[in-house]
Amino acid sequence: DAGVTQSPTHLIKTRGQQVTLRCSPKSGHDTVSWYQQALGQGPQFIFQYYEEEERQRGNFPDRFSGHQFPNYSSELNVNALLLGDSALYLCASSLHRGLYQPQHFGDGTRLSIL
Amino acid sequence: QKEVEQNSGPLSVPEGAIASLNCTYSDRGSQSFFWYRQYSGKSPELIMFIYSNGDKEDGRFTAQLNKASQYVSLLIRDSQPSDSATYLCAVIHTGRRALTFGSGTRLQVQP
Repeated sequence: DAGVTQSPTHLIKTRGQQVTLRCSPKSGHDTVSWYQQALGQGPQFIFQYYEEEERQRGNFPDRFSGHQFPNYSSELNVNALLLGDSALYLCASSLHRGLYQPQHFGDGTRLSIL
Repeated sequence: QKEVEQNSGPLSVPEGAIASLNCTYSDRGSQSFFWYRQYSGKSPELIMFIYSNGDKEDGRFTAQLNKASQYVSLLIRDSQPSDSATYLCAVIHTGRRALTFGSGTRLQVQP
């Protein structure tokens, strides 16, 4: 049973560039949420996708955008990268956006901005 | 006031002891509660979740929830050095479907 998979594992970019991160949910899951985790902090919610639409969004600027595909996989795009965007980006999947549904995380993408 | 608060630690316990990790939350609309374990450089791993007041046990782990006091805890019995990690408390609020995390408590189990 495949868990949540993310790619790439690591990425190095420079300020002003754009980046796309990818996520495939756990088998049977249809909801994908993205989180940003800075060093020493808990993950911060970016947005959540269900039925190919953004359903909720955290306190992140419009430079952060996403997409969900018919097979439930998802992408996170970040434009005009800033040094402060350096973080671990985590994808989590769950079922039907349920209030009581646990979210399972992938291994993350570590993004470094130079 | 942060929505989810945890003592950053480190909490140091000897091998074989009970580790007690605590978390408080501010929003009474919080309905579901999760504990994740995160090893250094790795992603969070779900270890327990609880929705109703009381205790929930799974192996060496027990989650405790007290909604009146807005308090959730995780007990780890017979702590092992492999339990050394950061433990993240997270909640889901009725009006949202996103996890709100605390900053985590670092646990050190001394051999």
